[in-house]
Amino acid sequence: EAGVAQSPRYKIIEKRQSVAFWCNPISGHATLYWYQQILGQGPKLLIQFQNNGVVDDSQLPKDRFSAERLKGVDSTLKIQPAKLEDSAVYLCASSLERGDEQYFGPGTRLTVT
Amino acid sequence: EDKVVQSPLSLVVHEGDTVTLNCSYEVTNFRSLLWYKQEKKAPTFLFMLTSSGIEKKSGRLSSILDKKELFSILNITATQTGDSAIYLCAGAISGTYKYIFGTGTRLKVLA
Repeated sequence: EAGVAQSPRYKIIEKRQSVAFWCNPISGHATLYWYQQILGQGPKLLIQFQNNGVVDDSQLPKDRFSAERLKGVDSTLKIQPAKLEDSAVYLCASSLERGDEQYFGPGTRLTVT
Repeated sequence: EDKVVQSPLSLVVHEGDTVTLNCSYEVTNFRSLLWYKQEKKAPTFLFMLTSSGIEKKSGRLSSILDKKELFSILNITATQTGDSAIYLCAGAISGTYKYIFGTGTRLKVLA
């Protein structure tokens, strides 16, 4: 069974630029999550989708971050404009249904200079 | 505020040693406690614990949850260098199923 796929694996941008991350969850998984993991900290949930609907985006900085999962499969997370403090690893995870264990992708390491 | 606290923050042991990692939680509407191993970037799932006092085992790893005292431990016996990683603990909230992660315990196993 293929795991969660993410791209790109690494991205370096300057502050005020925009960036987008892509995630393809495990086939058949209805729930998709985006996390931000700053160095030395645990992952922090940014947004949770159930199929193509948003379940929880309470910790998403909506002035600069946006995410979508239009067809209930792939998802994109965008940052515009980026700030220095957005430097982190962005992890995508999926689960079969809400409440099931989450499986994580390899992450995208973002560096904002 | 929901929080998960792990201890120790880091640990260095020799191959063959047994280690115990601790996780305490304060999570409203607690549903379950999860353990993950993070080696490079992607956390990999180890255990999900929902019932108090029932040990879960997988090879040399085992974990137990105490819902009265609000903590969990992860034991690793006969450690190997391949066990070197960050071990993350997360509390899941009932209803939203949101995970609250701790900062992790960094384990280094020396040959």
